[in-house]
Amino acid sequence: EAGVTQFPSHSVIEKGQTVTLRCDPISGHDNLYWYRRVMGKEIKFLLHFVKESKQDESGMPNNRFLAERTGGTYSTLKVQPAELEDSGVYFCASSQATDRGRIGTNSPLHFGNGTRLTVT
Amino acid sequence: AQKITQTQPGMFVQEKEAVTLDCTYDTSDPSYGLFWYKQPSSGEMIFLIYQGSYDQQNATEGRYSLNFQKARKSANLVISASQLGDSAMYFCAMREVGYGGATNKLIFGTGTLLAVQP
Repeated sequence: EAGVTQFPSHSVIEKGQTVTLRCDPISGHDNLYWYRRVMGKEIKFLLHFVKESKQDESGMPNNRFLAERTGGTYSTLKVQPAELEDSGVYFCASSQATDRGRIGTNSPLHFGNGTRLTVT
Repeated sequence: AQKITQTQPGMFVQEKEAVTLDCTYDTSDPSYGLFWYKQPSSGEMIFLIYQGSYDQQNATEGRYSLNFQKARKSANLVISASQLGDSAMYFCAMREVGYGGATNKLIFGTGTLLAVQP
């Protein structure tokens, strides 16, 4: 099966511009996540979709970030306007439905290759 | 607050030797899961191994094993018989079972860069 795909792989934009990142999860995965790694720091959770609904967006840094998942398939993450501190690698991940109350291995997160965003 | 700590920013190991990558965690939730991911230079994040907080035995997956010491809150990854292809960044992560059931929100450590030398 095809894995999680992200586009673009790299993006270089100027401060104040807009960038849209796209993620195509593994087919059939209801759960879709966005994570971000700023250089040298840990990977941090941004938000979680279950199908088309935002389950948890507690990690979104501010209102310059907008994530959508129309139809419960692919997702986009828009940064508008971009700031220097937004530079980093943005990862998308997907998983099958989670068994409530269980934390078994049948739903590990499958990550994409990430989008490296550089804001200059 | 929940936290993952990886104290080794970088490690070297000779090919064919075993190496242990350290991971400690902090959580007040009795139910949680621990993961290790590998990130080679190509960028993708590859799931390696999982340990549940109630699992009685240490997890193993091929050359990977997880040394789970619950009382010490550590979940070290052991790679046996290192290969050149094992050179990568390794991330330890924790998933919590929040109120109402399992979530898939992962908390990551800062990672350990492993270099396998021939």
